[in-house]
Amino acid sequence: GAGVSQSPRYKVAKRGQDVALRCDPISGHVSLFWYQQALGQGPEFLTYFQNEAQLDKSGLPSDRFFAERPEGSVSTLKIQRTQQEDSAVYLCATRDRANSPLHFGNGTRLTVT
Amino acid sequence: LAKTTQPISMDSYEGQEVNITCSHNNIATNDYITWYQQFPSQGPRFIIQGYKTKVTNEVASLFIPADRKSSTLSLPRVSLSDTAVYYCLVGDGGSQGNLIFGKGTKLSVKP
Repeated sequence: GAGVSQSPRYKVAKRGQDVALRCDPISGHVSLFWYQQALGQGPEFLTYFQNEAQLDKSGLPSDRFFAERPEGSVSTLKIQRTQQEDSAVYLCATRDRANSPLHFGNGTRLTVT
Repeated sequence: LAKTTQPISMDSYEGQEVNITCSHNNIATNDYITWYQQFPSQGPRFIIQGYKTKVTNEVASLFIPADRKSSTLSLPRVSLSDTAVYYCLVGDGGSQGNLIFGKGTKLSVKP
């Protein structure tokens, strides 16, 4: 596809369940970012990959959050034992080189009940 | 890390020029300045990027003074469809990761 694709578009989870959010980057984009966006707030950085290497995970809010990109393409953000405060939109962004603009997907809206 | 400060909100009318200023006092030498637009239920979308002086594309202009401690996004003749949140992002500085978004400016365009 032409853009960054995220799935599912919406996810409802009961508190305590595990969820997995997928990001399909633009072909050839080596850098991949995950952001969390709460309602009315700006995107908050979670983690960053260059190819398959996770170079920065300083934004992950707890050890319940885990991200991977095993083949340097598709990435998965996993949240274990979801809590209500995890409810947010999770955005994936990619780019082909340093200083080039980020290309965002439309996000996955996670609601924890 | 370069932190950015923008007005929380702005109001305008159709056909007016809108200027949104972003402050980034501790911008690093290698950092670029990039502006994004976000509509509800969508991811942010790239508008314009610059390093210094002035950059213009088909939708906006970006003015950056010599000290680079601020930048101004200029939207000519806005329409209702320009109602959105606008974010100023400063990076890379060589680290590539940890690109920090501020709270953004909510622009409301009225008829």
